[in-house]
Amino acid sequence: DAGVTQSPTHLIKTRGQQVTLRCSPKSGHDTVSWYQQALGQGPQFIFQYYEEEERQRGNFPDRFSGHQFPNYSSELNVNALLLGDSALYLCASSGTGSSGNTIYFGEGSWLTVV
Amino acid sequence: ELKVEQNPLFLSMQEGKNYTIYCNYSTTSDRLYWYRQDPGKSLESLFVLLSNGAVKQEGRLMASLDTKARLSTLHITAAVHDLSATYFCAVERVRDDKIIFGKGTRLHILP
Repeated sequence: DAGVTQSPTHLIKTRGQQVTLRCSPKSGHDTVSWYQQALGQGPQFIFQYYEEEERQRGNFPDRFSGHQFPNYSSELNVNALLLGDSALYLCASSGTGSSGNTIYFGEGSWLTVV
Repeated sequence: ELKVEQNPLFLSMQEGKNYTIYCNYSTTSDRLYWYRQDPGKSLESLFVLLSNGAVKQEGRLMASLDTKARLSTLHITAAVHDLSATYFCAVERVRDDKIIFGKGTRLHILP
């Protein structure tokens, strides 16, 4: 049973460019959340998707957008990249109606903006 | 607004010693998580605590939850070098559908 998978694992972008990160949730999970973890910091909640809609959003600008597909996979898009967007982007999946004992995190996508 | 505070943020200790990491949170929560993160790696789930008085143990790590005090602790017994990592406490309120993390505790265990 595959866990949460993310791609790409590492990428380098230039300021002003756009990036798309992808996430496939754990089998049986229908809810996907995205987090940004800057170096030396704890993960910060970006947003959550359920039933193809954004259900909850953290304190991130509109440059950060997302999408969820019918198969529950999700994308995170960041436009007009800034140097400060360099971070580890984590995807987490969970299932509605579950006991909620564990939220599963992917291995993350390391984004470097130069 | 839900806030999570961990202390200490940095901890250097010798092998064989015991120590405790504290996690305080500002409002009622439904679930409390402890994660481990090694440098350059993602988060590894250690414990999920759901109710007041919950205690879970895995090897040299034991986590507990006091919902009345809004406090969770992660206790390390007879530390070994392999436990060196950053430990995060995170709190979830089901109605908010998101997890709020603390800043993490960087634990360095000297051999």
